[in-house]
Amino acid sequence: NAGVTQTPKFQVLKTGQSMTLQCAQDMNHEYMSWYRQDPGMGLRLIHYSVGAGITDQGEVPNGYNVSRSTTEDFPLRLLSAAPSQTSVYFCASSYPRGGNEQFFGPGTRLTVL
Amino acid sequence: RKEVEQDPGPFNVPEGATVAFNCTYSNSASQSFFWYRQDCRKEPKLLMSVYSSGNEDGRFTAQLNRASQYISLLIRDSKLSDSATYLCVVKGIAGNNRKLIWGLGTSLAVNP
Repeated sequence: NAGVTQTPKFQVLKTGQSMTLQCAQDMNHEYMSWYRQDPGMGLRLIHYSVGAGITDQGEVPNGYNVSRSTTEDFPLRLLSAAPSQTSVYFCASSYPRGGNEQFFGPGTRLTVL
Repeated sequence: RKEVEQDPGPFNVPEGATVAFNCTYSNSASQSFFWYRQDCRKEPKLLMSVYSSGNEDGRFTAQLNRASQYISLLIRDSKLSDSATYLCVVKGIAGNNRKLIWGLGTSLAVNP
């Protein structure tokens, strides 16, 4: 099993550009989530999904969209990148609910200039 | 008061030492507790869950003190490979069981 995979590993964007961070898991987990991690702020939940077709907002959803068309994939879209979105983004999955062990992807380091 | 608080450290200890970290939480209704480990520039990984009766996994012991609202992690016989950031995680109140509250982490450096 590959576990949770994320692409790209690194990305540099200019302010106003849009992009999609990819996340996939092969563990048949129902629950998937996106976090951002910033120095002094810890891990903050952006969006999460409890199953295909169901998504909900986390703590810091503004500027991000998600969709969950399959159990395996949970992409995160930045609509119009801002320097404040410079961060490390982690995708995580768990079964069956979010309160159990989270399996994280390796992260995407995003810089917005 | 933050929902989950940890001493950021860094804790610098020699190999073989015993080191302990505490993590306090503010919501007395919190249900579940975890310790994750995060290596530099890597993703967090579950180290151990924390049970009411306390639990041990090799050199690692986790304990919960509900009365004082804190959990602890004890590492015995520290190894160089234990150098990492240790994240305390608390599961949110009943009815919102998808909410995990993450501490900022305690940094540990084990020195030769």
